[in-house]
Amino acid sequence: QKEVEQNSGPLSVPEGAIASLNCTYSDRVSQSFFWYRQYSGKSPELIMSIYSNGDKEDGRFTAQLNKASQYVSLLIRDSQPSDSATYLCAGRGLAGNTPLVFGKGTRLSVIA
Amino acid sequence: GAVVSQHPSWVICKSGTSVKIECRSLDFQATTMFWYRQFPKQSLMLMATSNEGSKATYEQGVEKDKFLINHASLTLSTLTVTSAHPEDSSFYICSVPWAGAGNTIYFGEGSWLTVV
Repeated sequence: QKEVEQNSGPLSVPEGAIASLNCTYSDRVSQSFFWYRQYSGKSPELIMSIYSNGDKEDGRFTAQLNKASQYVSLLIRDSQPSDSATYLCAGRGLAGNTPLVFGKGTRLSVIA
Repeated sequence: GAVVSQHPSWVICKSGTSVKIECRSLDFQATTMFWYRQFPKQSLMLMATSNEGSKATYEQGVEKDKFLINHASLTLSTLTVTSAHPEDSSFYICSVPWAGAGNTIYFGEGSWLTVV
């Protein structure tokens, strides 16, 4: 199993709908998880981080972590065309200053 | 404001020449920085871990003699692409773990390299 796996999409949703992005991970990157948004040609921007089982909400974004299933997701409510971007899931291990390991990214298109 | 500064934002160079990319942490010290490369429509791939005062740690398949990393101070890491070739054209991004509380990692703005 790859360390972080994402459905590469593309995923298209109508404006105002909920977009659901999913990610699975291996044991090596099982300590903390991050969702980044990346616009074309730009550096990734952090949306949310999550470390504990359950849900974490921030505005229109909700991250969900299920450590038993090694699964992390991101829900975007009331999707806007400006949310159209590539969403990267990343995991990080425990030991010291470990780097983020990224999934392939899911391309999201929000259709007006 | 930005906490990690990367320079240059874009650079075009001729095949066979070398290019240096800088990554600076602003207002905080970083003993470790990470260098990633991203080809179009692909994800970020870790190239190496830059360690202040010691040798960088390279990922499998990354040529250490081609991608020279120097982390001479606690706020600056440089990546030098030596004898660049067109296949080295890519988006290079540095990331820096925040040394304070929490688990935050900051990214530089990225550097577009085009080798002609």
